[in-house]
Amino acid sequence: LAKTTQPISMDSYEGQEVNITCSHNNIATNDYITWYQQFPSQGPRFIIQGYKTKVTNEVASLFIPADRKSSTLSLPRVSLSDTAVYYCLVGDRRNTGGFKTIFGAGTRLFVKA
Amino acid sequence: DAGVTQSPTHLIKTRGQQVTLRCSPKSGHDTVSWYQQALGQGPQFIFQYYEEEERQRGNFPDRFSGHQFPNYSSELNVNALLLGDSALYLCASSFPQAVYEQYFGPGTRLTVT
Repeated sequence: LAKTTQPISMDSYEGQEVNITCSHNNIATNDYITWYQQFPSQGPRFIIQGYKTKVTNEVASLFIPADRKSSTLSLPRVSLSDTAVYYCLVGDRRNTGGFKTIFGAGTRLFVKA
Repeated sequence: DAGVTQSPTHLIKTRGQQVTLRCSPKSGHDTVSWYQQALGQGPQFIFQYYEEEERQRGNFPDRFSGHQFPNYSSELNVNALLLGDSALYLCASSFPQAVYEQYFGPGTRLTVT
């Protein structure tokens, strides 16, 4: 299982773009990169998933370089409501026998007014 | 379309007792995973059920057991409760071909006294 490393915390101000980088040096060929958001006392919420290059949805963008050893979650124009913990996960998205979702400590994002 | 539901919302038990937590997956999902989340930490994978069988298990003792029913709903049972079992228990559902795109329920807050 690919281990991930993220910053423990980040601060930002409303309206700014926030980039959270995740390192996953031993990512396997079949592994995808998935990001979740979690608010206090709630379950994590799926944000975005990608394999390579760039993926964008209505919430965020995910940038993955060619070597796939890292990825960056980009949140455009954050608001106070984006204050949450963000988790980066790496693994084979098929239901193979090796599936075990590993959540690390995540990155605590604080958005200030 | 109902999302993932869990019951009960909160539960208080005494050391040594047994507890059963319940989960109904998102409509159309047949894969259910359970997680334990202690305060300030990321979710820890307990096990996953698919086709009524436990497919994968995290590093949890045999006191933690589960079951999946033909309608894909699931139960988590914990025997001989310890104070350290106090946590938020999360259930997540997904399609088997997209296990990293999980939909989480609101969780059950278990307090062991």
